[in-house]
Amino acid sequence: AQKITQTQPGMFVQEKEAVTLDCTYDTSDQSYGLFWYKQPSSGEMIFLIYQGSYDEQNATEGRYSLNFQKARKSANLVISASQLGDSAMYFCAMSAPLISNFGNEKLTFGTGTRLTIIP
Amino acid sequence: AAGVIQSPRHLIKEKRETATLKCYPIPRHDTVYWYQQGPGQDPQFLISFYEKMQSDKGSIPDRFSAQQFSDYHSELNMSSLELGDSALYFCASSSTRGQGFGELFFGEGSRLTVL
Repeated sequence: AQKITQTQPGMFVQEKEAVTLDCTYDTSDQSYGLFWYKQPSSGEMIFLIYQGSYDEQNATEGRYSLNFQKARKSANLVISASQLGDSAMYFCAMSAPLISNFGNEKLTFGTGTRLTIIP
Repeated sequence: AAGVIQSPRHLIKEKRETATLKCYPIPRHDTVYWYQQGPGQDPQFLISFYEKMQSDKGSIPDRFSAQQFSDYHSELNMSSLELGDSALYFCASSSTRGQGFGELFFGEGSRLTVL
């Protein structure tokens, strides 16, 4: 079974600094996907970035990058030049096969990291 | 671009009552998922549908049922509500077609409060 571990319940970071949110995972699958979602206080889940297990290059999306270390089974999210609007809950997630194998795989989430950006 | 639409956004019910949540996936998306997120918790997978057929089932109580209709919208029915059912319920959709990686697009969630 897949398992996602986020060891940082909360983080406080000064505005404009870079921040790394940790995520480790465990799976016996050879093919899988790793995702990061942002959940502001309003509650919606916002997709940030994706990394496929066979992707050789680390994914980047604007200020977000994913530090993928396959051998260590880690997929840390790096946010550069943090902004006040980055304050939110951040979830790391991994795709997990459906029982039926029909349709796209469901996601298994970690427990999240609450990031607070300090002015 | 059209997103996943969930209704109602907020719902207040008494214990032992019934609630129905609706989800309208992104057009042409063929997979729908339901997740439950309790206060301070991570989202937990409940159930999914592919082309209107149930494709997987997670930690969904027997009191809950769900289905996907011919127009691809889905409904989550919850009966004999308990205090512990108070949560944010997300619907998400994705497409197996195209060249994407199967990203799940989430709705804004339906917040259920059971009193």
